[in-house]
Amino acid sequence: EAQVTQNPRYLITVTGKKLTVTCSQNMNHEYMSWYRQDPGLGLRQIYYSMNVEVTDKGDVPEGYKVSRKEKRNFPLILESPSPNQTSLYFCASSFDRGTGELFFGEGSRLTVL
Amino acid sequence: EDQVTQSPEALRLQEGESSSLNCSYTVSGLRGLFWYRQDPGKGPEFLFTLYSAGEEKEKERLKATLTKKESFLHITAPKPEDSATYLCAVRGIDQTGANNLFFGTGTRLTVIP
Repeated sequence: EAQVTQNPRYLITVTGKKLTVTCSQNMNHEYMSWYRQDPGLGLRQIYYSMNVEVTDKGDVPEGYKVSRKEKRNFPLILESPSPNQTSLYFCASSFDRGTGELFFGEGSRLTVL
Repeated sequence: EDQVTQSPEALRLQEGESSSLNCSYTVSGLRGLFWYRQDPGKGPEFLFTLYSAGEEKEKERLKATLTKKESFLHITAPKPEDSATYLCAVRGIDQTGANNLFFGTGTRLTVIP
């Protein structure tokens, strides 16, 4: 079954405690991306990757890092989380960046106290 | 300036009561308009792609249409299982010249039995 898998689905943490949200896709997609979804603001892109070892900033990259060492995995790293990073996070993938036909994961709800 | 605006924010329909959701956009150089469905606690699920004015796509009770400045998602004789948030996304050139994918904030549809 084609899918994008995120972990953890739910996480409560404290300010400053580093955390990683993993994302894996089984469709051999080249393009992967991270979004955050906040009420009234819609989906905003954090980072994206067009292929292995190629990453770039989206609209709201501050406070986040990513890496793409393997085609299937695209982890999101919060080095020092702050309360304004409390949000619902989605990983998405597609065949290439030029399309808007994205496959989304189930989401990771993060709360930073 | 918002690139994509969806209206209404929320819509309640009786089962069988047809209606339309609106997505207006301001990007130039449209590279595609995309509709998604998002159920509570889930990631967005891709529904349709539209590329040019006059184009239409259908799936069950849903029909998406596109003009030069907006798209409509028509829901015919909706059922309770059509209840979800419907997201619109547009790929195009914004004021800075960037080619990006812009999401609207969605219309939350509730269909009452």
